Amino acid sequence: GQQVMQIPQYQHVQEGEDFTTYCNSSTTLSNIQWYKQRPGGHPVFLIQLVKSGEVKKQKRLTFQFGEAKKNSSLHITATQTTDVGTYFCAGLTSGTYKYIFGTGTRLKVLA
Amino acid sequence: DAGVIQSPRHEVTEMGQEVTLRCKPISGHNSLFWYRQTMMRGLELLIYFNNNVPIDDSGMPEDRFSAKMPNASFSTLKIQPSEPRDSAVYFCASRPGTGNYGYTFGSGTRLTVV
Repeated sequence: GQQVMQIPQYQHVQEGEDFTTYCNSSTTLSNIQWYKQRPGGHPVFLIQLVKSGEVKKQKRLTFQFGEAKKNSSLHITATQTTDVGTYFCAGLTSGTYKYIFGTGTRLKVLA
Repeated sequence: DAGVIQSPRHEVTEMGQEVTLRCKPISGHNSLFWYRQTMMRGLELLIYFNNNVPIDDSGMPEDRFSAKMPNASFSTLKIQPSEPRDSAVYFCASRPGTGNYGYTFGSGTRLTVV
């Protein structure tokens, strides 16, 4: 079945450093969503990407959808302690309704 | 908008007992999802309702699990009998329609079966 993997599984960075998480799907996606889950919290929707090669920005966060629509990345510039949490991608395969969540990347920011 | 409301927030029960988790989706959202989250398996989709009708329950682990959505504003997930391996955080999420919208998750129910 469809699998969505994320790397790295964990990342510790010093405050102010950049961070990137990568999402890879075993199948071509029609779109991809990104979520953030704070420790002890619930996933919160961040953004959706639909077009091949699409790039979207939210302040210090940059989201990219691969040209082949099988991978995506989230880049955080100059991390802050408020960025701590687990970042999930969720991919939707064309013709289905079910988003498959990735394995997540847990980010820890050291002050 | 109060968001997706789940109750209880925490539940500790003994093995063999029945557990009922509750969810109130956002008004107007006609798609509802139950997820289970564990360290080992991540976020797993258990069941999906559209317009109160179960569309896909292939993720329900076994017959001990059942879910209902009697109306557009309420859903339950029941485990009977509960087992220690059911311990997890159970999330309910809703979204408007079947289009390309993000899920709105509830705060979750942390279930511990001892």
